[in-house]
Amino acid sequence: GAGVSQTPSNKVTEKGKYVELRCDPISGHTALYWYRQSLGQGPEFLIYFQGTGAADDSGLPNDRFFAVRPEGSVSTLKIQRTERGDSAVYLCASSPGTRGEQYFGPGTRLTVT
Amino acid sequence: QKEVEQNSGPLSVPEGAIASLNCTYSDRVSQSFFWYRQYSGKSPELIMSIYSNGDKEDGRFTAQLNKASQYVSLLIRDSQPSDSATYLCAVSLRSNDYKLSFGAGTTVTVRA
Repeated sequence: GAGVSQTPSNKVTEKGKYVELRCDPISGHTALYWYRQSLGQGPEFLIYFQGTGAADDSGLPNDRFFAVRPEGSVSTLKIQRTERGDSAVYLCASSPGTRGEQYFGPGTRLTVT
Repeated sequence: QKEVEQNSGPLSVPEGAIASLNCTYSDRVSQSFFWYRQYSGKSPELIMSIYSNGDKEDGRFTAQLNKASQYVSLLIRDSQPSDSATYLCAVSLRSNDYKLSFGAGTTVTVRA
C-alpha cells in the first residue's frame, strides 16, 4: 500500500519567509509525528498528533513553528519568519497507534538562504 | 548526558561477517526500542522493534534488549554490501506517548 508522502521534496526559501510543509500519512494511521534531521544527527522530535489534536508539541523549538491536522489525516507544518538555522530535512512519520512503530515519509529538505 | 547514545563508528566489516551495533539509553522507564536503517539521502526505514528483554530475530537481524543495563544492540549476520547504511537506535521514553528519541547513528560499511 501507499506509504507516507511529503510535499514538497525540496524547498528553498529566503530568510524571513513563511513556508508550509505537508504530510499525508498512511491510510488509517491515527498517530502522526514531525521530526527534523540535521546532517550527521538522528531525527529530533517536534510534535505528535493523535487524531486531530496535538498531543505533544514539546519539541517545537519556538513559536515560529506551528502544525495542524484539522481532519485527522493530512498535516501541515508551518514555519514563520524562517531563519538559516531552520535548514534541515523535515520528516513526517505515522503510526497505527499500537506499540509505537513509526513509518517515515521521504522528507522535505528545507534550505533557508 | 544524551538520552540515546550509539557507538559513533564508522564501522567497517567484510562481506559475510557479523556487524555489531550498540546503543545505551538514559531513561529507565523507556518502553519501546527500535532500529532504523537510513541510506544516504533517504529517510529512516524501520527494520526491528523490541519491547521485552532478550533477543528478537528477523532474518539476518537480531535485536537484543537488556533493560537492567539500559542497553540495546543490533547484530547483522552475513553482512552484505547492501547493508552499508547508517543505523539509528530509537527509544520511546513513555508508554503513552510514542515520540522517539534517536541516537546520532552508526555508519556501517560492508567491504566486498
